[in-house]
Amino acid sequence: ETGVTQTPRHLVMGMTNKKSLKCEQHLGHNAMYWYKQSAKKPLELMFVYSLEERVENNSVPSRFSPECPNSSHLFLHLHTLQPEDSALYLCASSQAPGSNQPQHFGDGTRLSIL
Amino acid sequence: QKEVEQNSGPLSVPEGAIASLNCTYSDRGSQSFFWYRQYSGKSPELIMFIYSNGDKEDGRFTAQLNKASQYVSLLIRDSQPSDSATYLCAATTGGFKTIFGAGTRLFVKA
Repeated sequence: ETGVTQTPRHLVMGMTNKKSLKCEQHLGHNAMYWYKQSAKKPLELMFVYSLEERVENNSVPSRFSPECPNSSHLFLHLHTLQPEDSALYLCASSQAPGSNQPQHFGDGTRLSIL
Repeated sequence: QKEVEQNSGPLSVPEGAIASLNCTYSDRGSQSFFWYRQYSGKSPELIMFIYSNGDKEDGRFTAQLNKASQYVSLLIRDSQPSDSATYLCAATTGGFKTIFGAGTRLFVKA
């Protein structure tokens, strides 16, 4: 496998459920990112990890909890979500921890909250 | 609030024409600029990046940066129907934050 892979591709969950999104990058990159993409809105940066350490938390509600066990894997744990959290969640990676590096995106997880 | 602004479009051009996509940014400290293409239902894909004032060409694509005017553009020459997509402009200011615009939808008519 190459690139950035995300699972699942689609997820429907109730507001009381707990679920996790998974991201894996096969590019040897050291930085990983979570973004939220809502219809007709800019991509919103949620979290940035550099060498498994969280370096950016963009005022994201605590119902979203990221985890980066190693430089190739990134998770987003979800609990008690709200309907407005329905969106496309994109994972990205870049070669070095630094914003001058282009980012490579996964295909995203389409999340629907009932 | 740091912002990147793009016209949402759609921008419609005939096949073979030049498509011109524009972007402005509010943070004068922005250092690096990226153009991503996103097909419907797909992830953003890097097209070009530019760091210095002036033009940068790659095949049919030319990125232009004017830091004094806080303006970035992407020109697509000989536009093809396969270029029909949403184009995202992004700017970074150092550190780890990248600010994205909402994107411009481009439609190339065959």
